[in-house]
Amino acid sequence: GDSVTQMEGPVTLSEEAFLTINCTYTATGYPSLFWYVQYPGEGLQLLLKATKADDKGSNKGFEATYRKETTSFHLEKGSVQVSDSAVYFCALSDQWDGTASKLTFGTGTRLQVTL
Amino acid sequence: GAGVSQSPSNKVTEKGKDVELRCDPISGHTALYWYRQSLGQGLEFLIYFQGNSAPDKSGLPSDRFSAERTGGSVSTLTIQRTQQEDSAVYLCASSLKTGGYNEQFFGPGTRLTVL
Repeated sequence: GDSVTQMEGPVTLSEEAFLTINCTYTATGYPSLFWYVQYPGEGLQLLLKATKADDKGSNKGFEATYRKETTSFHLEKGSVQVSDSAVYFCALSDQWDGTASKLTFGTGTRLQVTL
Repeated sequence: GAGVSQSPSNKVTEKGKDVELRCDPISGHTALYWYRQSLGQGLEFLIYFQGNSAPDKSGLPSDRFSAERTGGSVSTLTIQRTQQEDSAVYLCASSLKTGGYNEQFFGPGTRLTVL
């Protein structure tokens, strides 16, 4: 079945540091890939997405590139801010199967950014 | 416009009691999803609806769990004879239509505690 593996947290960085959160996936079809973010006390929000190989999703300075050859979708940001402190979830949805639009999530990575 | 709403926000119940959790999707969204977020299992898919039909119930953990959707809108997740392992945050999401590339918008969740 489908699965998503993302790096264990917590990740602690100083403000303005470079961020990478690794995500790899296993899927039987051609999935869409997502990063969701959960800020403290808030619900899940879509951060960015990519629906086909080599697509780059970007939002709020974050970006991730859909790499089919390495089955990866790593999240990066060049300069993190304290306000980026949150839990980040990598997820996939099997687009090819019209009945299987559920999201399969990774375990989440907590990011803590300090001054 | 209003986002996905869920009620109650918190529910504490005794083992063996039945509980009902409610989800109001974004108006006009035809697809509705239920997920569960727990410490031990991460974010798990439970069930989704297209209109009032549930094409995929594969994530329901046992026959104590059921869900319905009426009028293509409100959905109720019912857990009968609750157990302590049912303690989790239950998340509802909706999307304009099914298909992996359609963004799912999440509600704030219902935190269920079974004593």
